[in-house]
Amino acid sequence: EDQVTQSPEALRLQEGESSSLNCSYTVSGLRGLFWYRQDPGKGPEFLFTLYSAGEEKEKERLKATLTKKESFLHITAPKPEDSATYLCAVPMTTDSWGKFQFGAGTQVVVTP
Amino acid sequence: SQTIHQWPATLVQPVGSPLSLECTVEGTSNPNLYWYRQAAGRGLQLLFYSVGIGQISSEVPQNLSASRPQDRQFILSSKKLLLSDSGFYLCAWSPPIRLEGEYFGPGTRLTVL
Repeated sequence: EDQVTQSPEALRLQEGESSSLNCSYTVSGLRGLFWYRQDPGKGPEFLFTLYSAGEEKEKERLKATLTKKESFLHITAPKPEDSATYLCAVPMTTDSWGKFQFGAGTQVVVTP
Repeated sequence: SQTIHQWPATLVQPVGSPLSLECTVEGTSNPNLYWYRQAAGRGLQLLFYSVGIGQISSEVPQNLSASRPQDRQFILSSKKLLLSDSGFYLCAWSPPIRLEGEYFGPGTRLTVL
């Protein structure tokens, strides 16, 4: 069964204190891994797609990397506006058209 | 560019009342459409997905149903709401062929009293 596990559940950072979030998965034949940002009371916002081990994507202070078993979302010198819940998702291997399994998310709070 | 709309934004309904949430997508054709529910502090639970008009797959047995009367319209319904139906309902779309991430609407906060 496809599994997606995110850690830690919550992360409290000082402004400027870099850190990483983890998304581990157990799927065979990974067809992509997706990162989202969700602000309270809003729908998730798509951030990145990673398709193969070794791939990296960057957006402002965020950098996503992918290995064969996990993905990391690095937050470099975070600012309070980076506070959000970060979700990762993978396509379920039982479907060919794109049904996704989401992790429970990591809630990030950045304090000034 | 593509946009996705959901309404209403918030809804308070009594137990046993009906429900209809609507989602529409603009700027794309033949999207895959999804309904998710997100309980407080929890992950996303896939409720229904659709690959085309009239084609609905249910993930979780419950008193909810979904319909897709038009290519870019997705409706979530219930005949009688339960307290446990409270939550944050999200509609999303993804391109039909190329495997990319999903794009979410703003969500509907449903409270059943």
